[in-house]
Amino acid sequence: DTEVTQTPKHLVMGMTNKKSLKCEQHMGHRAMYWYKQKAKKPPELMFVYSYEKLSINESVPSRFSPECPNSSLLNLHLHALQPEDSALYLCASSQDPPGLAGDNEQFFGPGTRLTVL
Amino acid sequence: GNSVTQMEGPVTLSEEAFLTINCTYTATGYPSLFWYVQYPGEGLQLLLKATKADDKGSNKGFEATYRKETTSFHLEKGSVQVSDSAVYFCALGSGGYQKVTFGIGTKLQVIP
Repeated sequence: DTEVTQTPKHLVMGMTNKKSLKCEQHMGHRAMYWYKQKAKKPPELMFVYSYEKLSINESVPSRFSPECPNSSLLNLHLHALQPEDSALYLCASSQDPPGLAGDNEQFFGPGTRLTVL
Repeated sequence: GNSVTQMEGPVTLSEEAFLTINCTYTATGYPSLFWYVQYPGEGLQLLLKATKADDKGSNKGFEATYRKETTSFHLEKGSVQVSDSAVYFCALGSGGYQKVTFGIGTKLQVIP
């Protein structure tokens, strides 16, 4: 299984709502990532988890709260978002540490299209 | 710091034309290099990769060679199809393997 799955595919929420994005992989990867992608832009790294511990937080506002309950699951909890947070949210995973070839290929999910009203 | 520069699109080609998308990079050490493709409304898919100098990555008719002397990783395909229409991202991963640096993306449109 070389797939990263994300739910929901689309999400519309108001600025006072609380919602969660979910990501799952069964490749045995121990590094998992959240990216934000605005239209016509490359993905921007938000968070990195390594062995279920938060490794990197790219100065993301606290209205985004990541969680890694186990080695296969990654959540992103959303609260009090702003309209400018509307974007495609991508989850990815990779080996950690890198494989014998030394590469660090990330496998991406299809993303959640988030609209904040 | 690390950076990736790729040609800004859009690139419009007729079906069966030859494709080149240029990509150059700046990095310390010995990065791995990737091309990702994003079809409309979807996530990113790894198209090909190369992990050391002179390696050639290839997949689905696409090729790219890791050129350390010119710090380049240009994407080529001999004959594009309409189904190749997508956004192509050049990327590098280095040392701190948890961070991948992406280029701005090049939109390719292939017309029949």
